[in-house]
Amino acid sequence: GAGVSQSPSNKVTEKGKDVELRCDPISGHTALYWYRQRLGQGLEFLIYFQGNSAPDKSGLPSDRFSAERTGESVSTLTIQRTQQEDSAVYLCASSLRLAGGPVTGELFFGEGSRLTVL
Amino acid sequence: ILNVEQSPQSLHVQEGDSTNFTCSFPSSNFYALHWYRWETAKSPEALFVMTLNGDEKKKGRISATLNTKEGYSYLYIKGSQPEDSATYLCAFPTTSGTYKYIFGTGTRLKVLA
Repeated sequence: GAGVSQSPSNKVTEKGKDVELRCDPISGHTALYWYRQRLGQGLEFLIYFQGNSAPDKSGLPSDRFSAERTGESVSTLTIQRTQQEDSAVYLCASSLRLAGGPVTGELFFGEGSRLTVL
Repeated sequence: ILNVEQSPQSLHVQEGDSTNFTCSFPSSNFYALHWYRWETAKSPEALFVMTLNGDEKKKGRISATLNTKEGYSYLYIKGSQPEDSATYLCAFPTTSGTYKYIFGTGTRLKVLA
């Protein structure tokens, strides 16, 4: 597809269950980000993948959160033993990046995965 | 820790009013600043990518200016319309390490008909 695709769009789960969220970035975009927005708060950085470099995991809130990316394609964000405070909209974005510096081009966002933990 | 601050946090204006809001960022090692519009039930969309001090960009009734020396950018909306109601976000890359983009908390705009 032409844009960033995320699935599922909505997920309701029980506390303690594991969830997996998927992001399919725009083809050719080397940079991929995961952010989340909890109710009433701003966009919180979670993790950043750039090509084959080690990901920047500095935003992951706990060791229950992990993410993988296969090459420069699909990424999955996994949350183990979900807690109610994990309820949020999880957004994925992709962009181009030139080697040796930051992305200056815009980030393209998916429509998000809304996670509700009961 | 990188701080990207936006003000005001929220804003209600009447249809036809012009309005503006501010994004403040660290003025050292500037690379780029982005503005995004995030409408309810949609994904954020880029409005402007600003890279040069003194940049002024315009898209329809929306424009933005950039002052990298003092570390701020203004977003202006002229003649606000109800369809302008959204959260406006600015984003700035960290200046070391992986250059990940950090977002401000946003300005939530509501335009009343």
